[in-house]
Amino acid sequence: QVQLQESGPGLVKPSQTLSLTCTVSGGSISSGSYYWSWIRQPAGKGLEWIGRIYTSGSTNYNPSLKSRVTISVDTSKNQFSLKLSSVTAADTAVYYCARDPVIAVAGALDYWGQGTLVTVSS
Amino acid sequence: DIQMTQSPSSVSASVGDRVTITCRASQGISSWLAWYQQKPGKAPKLLIYAASSLQSGVPSRFSGSGSGTDFTLTISSLQPEDFATYYCQQANSFPPIFGPGTKVDIK
Repeated sequence: QVQLQESGPGLVKPSQTLSLTCTVSGGSISSGSYYWSWIRQPAGKGLEWIGRIYTSGSTNYNPSLKSRVTISVDTSKNQFSLKLSSVTAADTAVYYCARDPVIAVAGALDYWGQGTLVTVSS
Repeated sequence: DIQMTQSPSSVSASVGDRVTITCRASQGISSWLAWYQQKPGKAPKLLIYAASSLQSGVPSRFSGSGSGTDFTLTISSLQPEDFATYYCQQANSFPPIFGPGTKVDIK
């Protein structure tokens, strides 16, 4: 059973960089054909897809965030990470990591982490 | 970007009711649509992918239909554990976009 777990600071100052890590257990992050994705959800609002990294290391980012987002993978630790620079209060949200099996579930996200709240405030 | 809308935004229903939620895409997305259930404080859970395929472990009272621009999620007999918010997500084109959600609450 694949499990994902987000970790990182819960409070980030405005203009700084938000950094989160997702640790994958129950399977190797580098095996199979998967996108490893980040999604966020402001309190009381809907879901926003941030970006993803493929097993090979290639990345795709939401155009609305592309200039500020970097997603990377560390296969030795079975982790992938999100960096979001120049944050503002509008970036305050619960951040989720999730798995997209590319083909198996037709672009859907089948496993999710529990989410971690990141607040941007001075 | 493709825009996703859902209706209704909320629905009040009783245990045993049949509930139908509609999702509409601003342009055709073939069958590249997923449905998720989210309970307060929890991550979304995948229910349906490819518009009508039931994810493993999801009860058969959930079903999905549609293609192109119009899609439906149906709960055939609402159970107490089904009170939640439901989101659709298009996976046809980049970036993936979620609908605004439909909250199903107790009547």
